[in-house]
Amino acid sequence: DTAVSQTPKYLVTQMGNDKSIKCEQNLGHDTMYWYKQDSKKFLKIMFSYNNKELIINETVPNRFSPKSPDKAHLNLHINSLELGDSAVYFCASSGQDRGVEKLFFGSGTQLSVL
Amino acid sequence: AQTVTQSQPEMSVQEAETVTLSCTYDTSENNYYLFWYKQPPSRQMILVIRQEAYKQQNATENRFSVNFQKAAKSFSLKISDSQLGDTAMYFCAFMIPIYNQGGKLIFGQGTELSVKP
Repeated sequence: DTAVSQTPKYLVTQMGNDKSIKCEQNLGHDTMYWYKQDSKKFLKIMFSYNNKELIINETVPNRFSPKSPDKAHLNLHINSLELGDSAVYFCASSGQDRGVEKLFFGSGTQLSVL
Repeated sequence: AQTVTQSQPEMSVQEAETVTLSCTYDTSENNYYLFWYKQPPSRQMILVIRQEAYKQQNATENRFSVNFQKAAKSFSLKISDSQLGDTAMYFCAFMIPIYNQGGKLIFGQGTELSVKP
């Protein structure tokens, strides 16, 4: 029943490893996003995809690569993890509801790089 | 550049009292949306209230209401009859829509609200 679901909820890994976070939405939305929340709780957009096409690509290291196999899924792959990548990563999706954009967040993935 | 500023890092209020959280933003756009999100310790981002910039009437949702001053670029959140469950981080956010392609949500730094019994 969860509208936007992301897995895993927690991810603990060593520096240098490669990891992926998966996200799926069942709302029928065309647009999906990845946001990063740092240790000071500041939230910043990383990417957005619309119908599998990259729309927003903020200044994010090349080690971060989003992949959208279809419009209901947007996964985030991170290569060569660094200590500074430790954060909470939120997936979100949005769509129009009577002419107004509504955005829904997943429950977040807490990534800890040791 | 679009920015959102929340000047109160922390606030506290007694249960059943009213509290107002401040937010200002900067943009040269005319069409945008404003939001308040709540993030309790569970980490979930919960939409509290939304305002379309073209609407002059202030949005309300039960105990939550906003004071939207477009000329002053101010968007404050008033919580009436505060409840213990309102304890959370509150984020003000601003979105410029991209036609049929969602939009970019820009967040303020957050205000940590504590409701005391």
